[in-house]
Amino acid sequence: DTVLTQSPALAVSPGERVTISCRASESVSTLMHWYQQKPGQQPKLLIYKASNLASGVPARFSGSGSGTDFTFTIDPVEADDIATYYCHQSWNSDTFGAGTKLELK
Amino acid sequence: EVQLQESGPGLVKPSQSLSLTCSVTGYSITSNYWGWIRKFPGNKMEWMGYISYSGSTSYNPSLKSRISITRDTSKNQFFLQLNSVTTEDTATYYCARGGGPGDYWGQGVMVTVSS
Repeated sequence: DTVLTQSPALAVSPGERVTISCRASESVSTLMHWYQQKPGQQPKLLIYKASNLASGVPARFSGSGSGTDFTFTIDPVEADDIATYYCHQSWNSDTFGAGTKLELK
Repeated sequence: EVQLQESGPGLVKPSQSLSLTCSVTGYSITSNYWGWIRKFPGNKMEWMGYISYSGSTSYNPSLKSRISITRDTSKNQFFLQLNSVTTEDTATYYCARGGGPGDYWGQGVMVTVSS
């Protein structure tokens, strides 16, 4: 299995820039996707294929990377962005990262 | 608008089969890919498998001996069957559109495996 390692929980203030990392145990090309999930809700696709913004998603969200190293950025953070963020690779027998919980400072 | 809705029993006994239905509106399941994903207590997510627009399937190797995904195109529904469940199969089960990124998801159904 391709293991995805995400940065641990992060504490942010509204207006700041935050970056979440996701490292794959082997190359996944650019088949990395990012989701936001709030408690009691289903995951919401934000970024697909590493850097493409999903439909209706604000440009405050962005993604980059290829191969094994990927980053997801929110700039600026808003209070409504408090959630858990997951990376997901679909290159080799899909796997998910453990999630990065974004909290308010 | 594309909408997905999971349904099925919330409680299953160990060793029995878990069966869930995903009802899709606003889009035909004869297009695109349709998958099942689950989220365990503790927040680990696992991709279980998908069925394609043509009816072909792909499964997580760790589940391959126990899982089956089928569909009924006349009802625009697809189904998950997971056999020989244990307490470790307790999770929230989601259906989603997409064989790579899932762009539309159902609300999820919580399934507990317990005697």
